[in-house]
Amino acid sequence: GQNIDQPTEMTATEGAIVQINCTYQTSGFNGLFWYQQHAGEAPTFLSYNVLDGLEEKGRFSSFLSRSKGYSYLLLKELQMKDSASYLCAVGDSNYQLIWGAGTKLIIKP
Amino acid sequence: IAGITQAPTSQILAAGRRMTLRCTQDMRHNAMYWYRQDLGLGLRLIHYSNTAGTTGKGEVPDGYSVSRANTDDFPLTLASAVPSQTSVYFCASSDSPSAGGADTQYFGPGTRLTVL
Repeated sequence: GQNIDQPTEMTATEGAIVQINCTYQTSGFNGLFWYQQHAGEAPTFLSYNVLDGLEEKGRFSSFLSRSKGYSYLLLKELQMKDSASYLCAVGDSNYQLIWGAGTKLIIKP
Repeated sequence: IAGITQAPTSQILAAGRRMTLRCTQDMRHNAMYWYRQDLGLGLRLIHYSNTAGTTGKGEVPDGYSVSRANTDDFPLTLASAVPSQTSVYFCASSDSPSAGGADTQYFGPGTRLTVL
């Protein structure tokens, strides 16, 4: 079957760095997405990886290793507004997105 | 309109009633999707449409139907609502489902549905 695994919850301190991991097993691979979802709101797009390596976008970076079925989202210089759920999703062989349950990130002052 | 809109924002519905959730996008995206999101579970695909006039079943299609008469609108209908359909429903759209990989999906604000 298809499966996306990510930690349920993480806690970090304002100003610090946090890494959220995602492992996947899917039928085919057509890209890996990270989305941010604040409580009570819709998911919003953060990053996309289709080739191995690191993609950097401001304070956020995303890494992909296709051979290991592994990705991480790195958030630097954490701010209180980064408190949200972070969703990992993989495009399968039908180009549909398979979603993880999300990681709730709690930022403490 | 900018992006994707959904209506209603929230709804309480008696079991057995029929309900249509509306979704409209103005980005001229080819593909549209309906998801449900339940606590502790990832987004689950209910139905999708790769282009106007076509629809397909997702992971959890039972009890739901969709239509795609034009590019902009993609309504989701619950023919006879049951309490297990209590959830948050998100509509999404993307430009193309197969151009160089899966395409970025953009989400509407969601509809919070409670079936009693």
